[in-house]
Amino acid sequence: NAGVTQTPKFRILKIGQSMTLQCTQDMNHNYMYWYRQDPGMGLKLIYYSVGAGITDKGEVPNGYNVSRSTTEDFPLRLELAAPSQTSVYFCASSPFEGRIDEQYFGPGTRLTVT
Amino acid sequence: AQTVTQSQPEMSVQEAETVTLSCTYDTSESDYYLFWYKQPPSRQMILVIRQEAYKQQNATENRFSVNFQKAAKSFSLKISDSQLGDAAMYFCAYRSGANDMRFGAGTRLTVKP
Repeated sequence: NAGVTQTPKFRILKIGQSMTLQCTQDMNHNYMYWYRQDPGMGLKLIYYSVGAGITDKGEVPNGYNVSRSTTEDFPLRLELAAPSQTSVYFCASSPFEGRIDEQYFGPGTRLTVT
Repeated sequence: AQTVTQSQPEMSVQEAETVTLSCTYDTSESDYYLFWYKQPPSRQMILVIRQEAYKQQNATENRFSVNFQKAAKSFSLKISDSQLGDAAMYFCAYRSGANDMRFGAGTRLTVKP
């Protein structure tokens, strides 16, 4: 199993541009999450999904959108990028049953908006 | 709102020695989970250890153990026989029954040979 994969690893955006961060998991987990990690800070939840077709806002959703058309994929969309969105973005997943409280993280995407 | 506080931005330990990382949290929930995650330079988040709030026994995973004080809302991580590979950022995290997880700001651990 590859676990949770994210693409791209790095990206530089100009202010006002848009992009989609991809996240895929091959563990058949129902729960998926997007976090951002600002320099010197812990992770903050942007959006989460409890299953295909269901998404909900986390702590810091403004400026982002998500969709969940399949169990495997949970892309994060940035519209009109702003410097405040410069951060490292982590995708995570967890199983519906069993260790539901344990999340498996992807390697992260470093995004710079200039 | 639940908050997680790590009061030590940086810690240092000699190889083979023991180090303790501190974490306190604030919650009104009675049922929740606590975690320690390790983030090496690769930036991957790796689960180190987890503790269920309803369990009185402290969790242990090989060289890693916790001191869970529920009344004091304290959750410290002890690393025994520290190894060079333990050097990383360590994050304390809290999760209640909802799909929400809160992280502390992290402690950077340096291991000296």
